[in-house]
Amino acid sequence: QSALTQPPSASGSLGQSITISCTGTTSDVGGYNYVSWYQFHPGKAPKLIIYEVSRRPSGVPDRFSGSKSGTTASLTVTGLQAEDEADYYCASYAGPNTHYVFGTGSTVSVL
Amino acid sequence: QVQVVQSGAEVKEPGASVRLSCKTSGYTFTNYYIHWVRQAPGQGLEWVALIVPSNGFTIYAQRFQGRVTLTRDTSTTTVYMQLSSLSSDDTGVYFCAREAGESGEPLKRFDYWGQGALVTVSS
Repeated sequence: QSALTQPPSASGSLGQSITISCTGTTSDVGGYNYVSWYQFHPGKAPKLIIYEVSRRPSGVPDRFSGSKSGTTASLTVTGLQAEDEADYYCASYAGPNTHYVFGTGSTVSVL
Repeated sequence: QVQVVQSGAEVKEPGASVRLSCKTSGYTFTNYYIHWVRQAPGQGLEWVALIVPSNGFTIYAQRFQGRVTLTRDTSTTTVYMQLSSLSSDDTGVYFCAREAGESGEPLKRFDYWGQGALVTVSS
C-alpha cells in the first residue's frame, strides 16, 4: 500500500492561511471518511488535530479545518501562529486488509 | 489524564532484535487498541501493527509479518513490540498510539501518542 502524497512543505506569514493536500486512492481517502491529521513538534508526542475528515478534537483551535474531495483530503490553517510551525501528517483508514496508511508529511514554516 | 510513555532509544546491530515498551495510564487499558507506527529518516509514517489489549489479538502490516510481535501485560498496562532480524532499513522512530474508542468500538483515529523511540541499526 502506497503512502498518501503530501507536499513536502508549506509556508505562510503570521496571520495568513495555508492548505496542505493529502492525495490517496479510492481504497483509502476516497473510500472512507476516516481521514485524520496529526501535528508533530520535535521532541513532543504527536497531536491529533482533525479526525473524520473535518472534525476537531476538544481543545484544538478552530483555525484548523479539514475537508475532502474525492481522493484528496486537505488541512487548512487560517490565521497562522508561530506555534503552528511543525510537521503535519495525514492518515486514512484503508480497510480490513491494509488498515491504515499515512501521508508523506508536510513541514509548515511560519515566516 | 491519559499518558503514553515509551521506552528509550536503542542501538542494535544488523540481525539483532529490539523490544520496545509503551506504558499507558489514565484510562481503562483493555478498552482501547494500541498501534505502532514507524517514521524512517526523511520518510513519512508507516503503520506497523495493532494489538487489542482486552484479548491480545494482533494484526500486523504485511511487510512486517514474521518479524514483528506485539504483546501486552494487563497488570502493568504496557504494550511491547519486538522487531527481529533488524536491518539498516529498520532505523527510525517508533511510536505507539492509542486508537480512540467509544463503548469498546475503535474509531479509526489515534488520540494519544507516545513520544517515540529511536531505533538505530548499525554495525
